Amino acid sequence: GQQLNQSPQSMFIQEGEDVSMNCTSSSIFNTWLWYKQEPGEGPVLLIALYKAGELTSNGRLTAQFGITRKDSFLNISASIPSDVGIYFCAGQQYGGSQGNLIFGKGTKLSVKP
Amino acid sequence: GAGVSQSPSNKVTEKGKDVELRCDPISGHTALYWYRQSLGQGLEFLIYFQGNSAPDKSGLPSDRFSAERTGGSVSTLTIQRTQQEDSAVYLCASSLDRGREQYFGPGTRLTVT
Repeated sequence: GQQLNQSPQSMFIQEGEDVSMNCTSSSIFNTWLWYKQEPGEGPVLLIALYKAGELTSNGRLTAQFGITRKDSFLNISASIPSDVGIYFCAGQQYGGSQGNLIFGKGTKLSVKP
Repeated sequence: GAGVSQSPSNKVTEKGKDVELRCDPISGHTALYWYRQSLGQGLEFLIYFQGNSAPDKSGLPSDRFSAERTGGSVSTLTIQRTQQEDSAVYLCASSLDRGREQYFGPGTRLTVT
């Protein structure tokens, strides 16, 4: 089946540092989403991207929908301890019968105070 | 308004027993999705409901898995004759419409002993 390649798998950073993670695919997606998941909880939507080239910010988070529609990145600026969690990218195709999301395997972020 | 809710939050069952997991989507959302997340893994699509259309069952791993959505709202995921490999967190998500961003519930952690 379709897969998203998400990297890095994990990151250990110092508080205050900037973070960057990305996802690539061999398929074109119409929507890219970024979620954060903390232990024992469901994924929480951070940013949704709908147009190729779109750059969207949500506080310290910035994400971009690649112009080829096959990739996306998420940046977190000035990280803080509460940024700890697993970040997932997800892509969606529509126009076919499926409406489900294809997920990357996640980037586990650890922040040292 | 209320988000997506799921029950139970935790379920421990013996191998061979049947289980039912419930999802209450966000009011007014026409699309509902079930995903499975195994330990340390990304999310695996199971089934998708859109309005009154026939569900997309392409992600169900075996015929022991089934799901219903009654009245276009509440959904139940049923696993018959549970196996140890069914142990995972089962996540439900809903969206306003197909192609729109998906919002997740907290999940049901299923443990098959």
